[in-house]
Amino acid sequence: SAVISQKPSRDICQRGTSLTIQCQVDSQVTMMFWYRQQPGQSLTLIATANQGSEATYESGFVIDKFPISRPNLTFSTLTVSNMSPEDSSIYLCSVDQQGEKLFFGSGTQLSVL
Amino acid sequence: SQQGEEDPQALSIQEGENATMNCSYKTSINNLQWYRQNSGRGLVHLILIRSNEREKHSGRLRVTLDTSKKSSSLLITASRAADTASYFCLGTSGSRLTFGEGTQLTVNP
Repeated sequence: SAVISQKPSRDICQRGTSLTIQCQVDSQVTMMFWYRQQPGQSLTLIATANQGSEATYESGFVIDKFPISRPNLTFSTLTVSNMSPEDSSIYLCSVDQQGEKLFFGSGTQLSVL
Repeated sequence: SQQGEEDPQALSIQEGENATMNCSYKTSINNLQWYRQNSGRGLVHLILIRSNEREKHSGRLRVTLDTSKKSSSLLITASRAADTASYFCLGTSGSRLTFGEGTQLTVNP
């Protein structure tokens, strides 16, 4: 199993500012996934972050809005840039184990005023 | 997209009753997994069923998979108030991971 420490757990931000979310994993993993969960909705994959290469973004998500860093095999950050109220969501990082089950951080609940 | 669809979207039962949730998907999968989410926090993996399996049990959980119908069901037996949560199915196909819409289960004491 993998244990993921995600922070912050929640934040309230002003429109136009940026927030960086961090995820630290207790073991080395190849891929890390970043998800967004809008209120009352399911999880939508934002991007897949591989160490040593550019993140792969899903349709509808762009690097300028959601830059991702993956400096090593245990750490990643997601930045939500130039925030608007529409960005209010829960953001979750996850890793997979042997390409099968996913382990999740506890999530970051973001509210943008 | 192989986005899964769960039904029902919401389910309310009494403690002790069984809860059944269904998931349908559109494309071929390698495996299908069920996750639980409490109060909008991180998801917890419950059970995984591979594409060559038809049924699997884990404690009070029973999951079935019908690849011909591209559907799966999750049964929670003898439900408890602590089972109140959102339940999501996840289909995996290679590196593609797509969550279903989720079922909000409420178990009333």
